[in-house]
Amino acid sequence: DTAVSQTPKYLVTQMGNDKSIKCEQNLGHDTMYWYKQDSKKFLKIMFSYNNKELIINETVPNRFSPKSPDKAHLNLHINSLELGDSAVYFCASSQLGAGTSGRVGQETQYFGPGTRLLVL
Amino acid sequence: AQKITQTQPGMFVQEKEAVTLDCTYDTSDPSYGLFWYKQPSSGEMIFLIYQGSYDQQNATEGRYSLNFQKARKSANLVISASQLGDSAMYFCAVSGGYNKLIFGAGTRLAVHP
Repeated sequence: DTAVSQTPKYLVTQMGNDKSIKCEQNLGHDTMYWYKQDSKKFLKIMFSYNNKELIINETVPNRFSPKSPDKAHLNLHINSLELGDSAVYFCASSQLGAGTSGRVGQETQYFGPGTRLLVL
Repeated sequence: AQKITQTQPGMFVQEKEAVTLDCTYDTSDPSYGLFWYKQPSSGEMIFLIYQGSYDQQNATEGRYSLNFQKARKSANLVISASQLGDSAMYFCAVSGGYNKLIFGAGTRLAVHP
């Protein structure tokens, strides 16, 4: 059984296009995340949702819009794709809610297989 | 702000030997978690081991152990009895506000037969 799944696995597209990446988890977690891994393998948080509420929004261009229809799904829509958007995008989920108090938890995040996006 | 430093871009180890991957961190949060992930060439991120900032004992998971020295702000990963399948990138991370993970640059480990 796949715990955190992402579709598609590979995405090749032209500059200026709009594309979406979907993520689903069956772990019963209530917090989900998007991370971006660049060509140098550096991983950086982009967004996080807790029970469908956006709680982390790092400095990401507003061409990127996450959407969480329910706590098991977190999708990422990217408008007007640019060459610099080429990267691997990872979805992750964790068991305990991060909450709105900002309290640092001890929740392990489980990652999806990643979506490799190439913008030409 | 949190920060993770992994000073070893690459490491080599002989099969069946033990290897230590270094990680130092910086955080002002009184409560935090430290994590290690493995990324093989296939690309997925695999959770290996976790250490809570208030845990007294070093975490262990099979052949993985975390050498946690809180005063020195270090959280080194020790892999015992290395196997060829351990060849991968290894990332250390610290949990920040709202549980976001701050990752280091990673260490590429190569296990030689």
